[in-house]
Amino acid sequence: DIVMTQTPLSSPVTLGQPASISCRSSQSLVHSDGNTYLSWLQQRPGQPPRLLIYKISNRFSGVPDRFSGSGAGTDFTLKISRVEAEDVGVYYCMQATQFPPTFGQGTKVEIK
Amino acid sequence: QVQLVQSGAEVKKPGASVKVSCKASGYTFTSYYMHWVRQAPGQGLEWMGIINPSGGSTSYAQKFQGRVTMTRDTSTSTVYMELSSLRSEDTAVYYCARGPYGVMDVWGQGTTVTVSS
Repeated sequence: DIVMTQTPLSSPVTLGQPASISCRSSQSLVHSDGNTYLSWLQQRPGQPPRLLIYKISNRFSGVPDRFSGSGAGTDFTLKISRVEAEDVGVYYCMQATQFPPTFGQGTKVEIK
Repeated sequence: QVQLVQSGAEVKKPGASVKVSCKASGYTFTSYYMHWVRQAPGQGLEWMGIINPSGGSTSYAQKFQGRVTMTRDTSTSTVYMELSSLRSEDTAVYYCARGPYGVMDVWGQGTTVTVSS
């Protein structure tokens, strides 16, 4: 199975400041069809996960544009340009290029 | 709008089985695979398996092979996940998630399963 490793595991941020989360995969996530199936999920406290970003950099419907994704191959990044109070929660990267789908350990974003 | 509504919380004794349902609405049920993912208390996300609502074919994580069964009822747009031989380590929130290829785009609200004697 592909191992997904996120850093940092905890990210205290000041409201209005940027935040960045890294995700590294143990193998390239480039699929034979040319796509890279790397997603980012947000889980607010007490809520189910919610899709933010798919295929590295595509924002899902309704996701604010302060969220952006980038990367290629085995290294990926989620950035929040200006953290708001509603962004508090745990963020997971997920790969679905290779079966079975696997998740990173999660990064907790909290307000300083 | 696309919605996945799961069944309510369950409390089970060790050795028992649990069956969780996930009712889909707002889209063509047979056009999207459905994943099941679980989350133990304070832990991360763990993929359990996937079902194709169109033909009913399934694929399970190796860890759950022999203990999990995923089925669907196209007449009610509902998928089911049954886990048998429950142990305390199966205490978790269980989620269904719709799966266009390579992504899990809509999630159910979760079903808490508690295994306790």
